[in-house]
Amino acid sequence: QVQLVQSGAEVKKPGASVKVSCTASGYTFTTYYMHWVRQAPGQGLEWLGMINTGNGATSYAQNFQDRLIVTRDTSTRTVFMELSSLRSEDTAIYYCARARVMAAAGDYWGQGALVTVSS
Amino acid sequence: DIQMTQSPSSLSASVGDRVTIACRASQSVITYLQWYQQKPGKAPRLLIYGASSLQDGVPSRFSASGSGTDFSLTISSLQPEDFATYYCQQSYSTPPWTFGQGTKVEVK
Repeated sequence: QVQLVQSGAEVKKPGASVKVSCTASGYTFTTYYMHWVRQAPGQGLEWLGMINTGNGATSYAQNFQDRLIVTRDTSTRTVFMELSSLRSEDTAIYYCARARVMAAAGDYWGQGALVTVSS
Repeated sequence: DIQMTQSPSSLSASVGDRVTIACRASQSVITYLQWYQQKPGKAPRLLIYGASSLQDGVPSRFSASGSGTDFSLTISSLQPEDFATYYCQQSYSTPPWTFGQGTKVEVK
């Protein structure tokens, strides 16, 4: 069965970076895009960026262009989301979600990884 | 970016009620419109894709319709497990995905 398993919770200080992983199983990894979405406490869903796991091409939300990097390792079927220059407003649950093509729905989601930014 | 607006932001309903949630896009998304259900502490779950197609495993009491800029999600007979927050999301203009602000369905 399809599974997206994310790394665990992180606590970071302002100005630091965080790297969250999302390991896929149960399907052909390189035939799906992987998106990253976050949810601040009590708030809605915010799209961060995505990667074409086949060729590694990425696209990022304008607000995160200068501090977000999404990569993938096809040998371990893992996608990574690294967010730098963290501030308190980045405290959120970060989700990965796969989509069959760029304009498709996110049909499977990871369980989420809580990132807390606090001094 | 395309803006998505849901209404209402919250509603109170009873088990057995028929519930409808609306979603409006700031410009046409054709039928590249999804609906997700999210329960506290859980990841979003895809209910509807392509504006009206039911995802595998989703109960048939969920239905959706619309095209262009106006969409709706209907729960024909609300069940206890349906109390949750629902989000619409467009994927026509990707990147980025954009989501509605959510509609919380609460117990009356």
